[in-house]
Amino acid sequence: LAKTTQPISMDSYEGQEVNITCSHNNIATNDYITWYQQFPSQGPRFIIQGYKTKVTNEVASLFIPADRKSSTLSLPRVSLSDTAVYYCLVGEDRGSTLGRLYFGRGTQLTVWP
Amino acid sequence: NAGVTQTPKFRILKIGQSMTLQCTQDMNHNYMYWYRQDPGMGLKLIYYSVGAGITDKGEVPNGYNVSRSTTEDFPLRLELAAPSQTSVYFCASSYPPGTTTNEKLFFGSGTQLSVL
Repeated sequence: LAKTTQPISMDSYEGQEVNITCSHNNIATNDYITWYQQFPSQGPRFIIQGYKTKVTNEVASLFIPADRKSSTLSLPRVSLSDTAVYYCLVGEDRGSTLGRLYFGRGTQLTVWP
Repeated sequence: NAGVTQTPKFRILKIGQSMTLQCTQDMNHNYMYWYRQDPGMGLKLIYYSVGAGITDKGEVPNGYNVSRSTTEDFPLRLELAAPSQTSVYFCASSYPPGTTTNEKLFFGSGTQLSVL
């Protein structure tokens, strides 16, 4: 299962756009890229998933270049409530392999007023 | 739907004691998982189950046992608690494969366990 590399921490101010980049050089053909968000004292929560190009939902956008060796989670106009740990996961998001996706240390995003 | 429910939320154990962490889900998910998260670290998979009566080891299964007698419940058992098992434990579930285009994990709110 592919491992990922992402920054340990990032800081931002309210209203700014935040981009968190994740490296996954060993991504396989069948692998998807998934991002989760975790608030203190809570379990992770699914944010967005993609395979290639760009995916957008009501929470975030996910940009994936053609070689798929990295991906960027984009959070538009962050607020204090976006302060959380963000995890980038790569794997064949099917069946029993879903639960064995690698949760690294994630990126601690802190949003300041 | 309540989603994934874990009990208790907090527990303190003495070394050598045993306990069961409860997890139940009301989404009719076949797949269920147990993770542990140490301070400042990511999640590590302990055990998982693909359906009632079927379980398998994850990355860090030593010191734990599981059972899956029903679709809804997936309890985690600690037989002889050790300080190294002090952690936050998360239970998760997911849809069966092929039933949705966005397969994802649904997590409970966790159990904070301290072994002293």
